[in-house]
Amino acid sequence: SQTIHQWPATLVQPVGSPLSLECTVEGTSNPNLYWYRQAAGRGLQLLFYSVGIGQISSEVPQNLSASRPQDRQFILSSKKLLLSDSGFYLCAWTYPGTGGYEQYFGPGTRLTVT
Amino acid sequence: AQSVTQLGSHVSVSEGALVLLRCNYSSSVPPYLFWYVQYPNQGLQLLLKYTSAATLVKGINGFEAEFKKSETSFHLTKPSAHMSDAAEYFCAVTYEKLTFGTGTRLTIIP
Repeated sequence: SQTIHQWPATLVQPVGSPLSLECTVEGTSNPNLYWYRQAAGRGLQLLFYSVGIGQISSEVPQNLSASRPQDRQFILSSKKLLLSDSGFYLCAWTYPGTGGYEQYFGPGTRLTVT
Repeated sequence: AQSVTQLGSHVSVSEGALVLLRCNYSSSVPPYLFWYVQYPNQGLQLLLKYTSAATLVKGINGFEAEFKKSETSFHLTKPSAHMSDAAEYFCAVTYEKLTFGTGTRLTIIP
């Protein structure tokens, strides 16, 4: 069976510090991978998606970047965090070639920028 | 372009009462539709999905949803609410990309 991991689970970082959130998927090959942000009391905002190693599409211009160094690893980064980067970050995956079908979500990372 | 609208950002029902969460979609082609549930500080879990087979779809935890093309709706129901149903629920529509609604927070009154 497939599983998706995210770490850390929670993170408190000062403004201006760097960020690295990691997502890994087990049990499948060449998945489509997604990063979402969920601000308090709001819906999901798609940040990035990837259909393969080194292939990243950005949905919203912002202070964040994403990378996919390995087939089942997806990393969300920032060089300098802003207060507005606080939120709940979710990673998700779908089977390859099914970008429009159901997505399977990780447990999320709660980021608080102080 | 596809979109989904969830009517009511907050819904409260008494324990044992009917749960009805509303979702309307806009899509130029027959869509696939989904309902997800999110418990506090957790990721989203797929409740059920409509993929153009039966219009009445049964999901986990006793939930079901009915696809009504004439009304462009995909409302989520459960006959009898349980305290453990308290969560946020998201409707989503897809053709080429998955698009989520803004969510409905369900509160269960003891």
